[in-house]
Amino acid sequence: KNQVEQSPQSLIILEGKNCTLQCNYTVSPFSNLRWYKQDTGRGPVSLTIMTFSENTKSNGRYTATLDADTKQSSLHITASQLSDSASYICVVSDRGSTLGRLYFGRGTQLTVWP
Amino acid sequence: EADIYQTPRYLVIGTGKKITLECSQTMGHDKMYWYQQDPGMELHLIHYSYGVNSTEKGDLSSESTVSRIRTEHFPLTLESARPSHTSQYLCASSGTGGGHTYEQYFGPGTRLTVT
Repeated sequence: KNQVEQSPQSLIILEGKNCTLQCNYTVSPFSNLRWYKQDTGRGPVSLTIMTFSENTKSNGRYTATLDADTKQSSLHITASQLSDSASYICVVSDRGSTLGRLYFGRGTQLTVWP
Repeated sequence: EADIYQTPRYLVIGTGKKITLECSQTMGHDKMYWYQQDPGMELHLIHYSYGVNSTEKGDLSSESTVSRIRTEHFPLTLESARPSHTSQYLCASSGTGGGHTYEQYFGPGTRLTVT
């Protein structure tokens, strides 16, 4: 069964600190992995997208890593800001269909305190 | 900022009413999607469309229906709303680039409450 599991479920950190969010998946055949940021009451916004051959990708203070062998990904946030408070969703796409179906994790709810 | 719009943003309605959630995109994307998301839970695909006059059901069974008469417009309709339909509904669209590495752009969502 294609699944995407994220940990931790929630995380509280102080402003300026770094943090790392984890994602494990069982989606096969794998096409790509994305990280989205979803503010409360808003739609998800893409942060990074990585294909099988990519190990790391950065977007400002966000750095995503991918280990396709162990089917694990992480999202590292450096020098956190209050505006980073949001849900971070790991999404994996398969290549077994024309649509390229997306499988969503439940997200990690990050809260940044001043 | 993605050019995909949803209205209304919030809707509180009584049981049995017919409702239509609007979704429009100005990016010329062929593919459009409707997702349902409950608090703290993952997004579930309920409908998608490859283009005009194309609609398909997604992974999660839904009593809603969709139509795609114009490329930019993908409305979702509930003929008779029930409390079990209370949820957040997210619309998304994507282009038809090579392979599966296409970006899905999401609208802001409609928070539906059925009393």
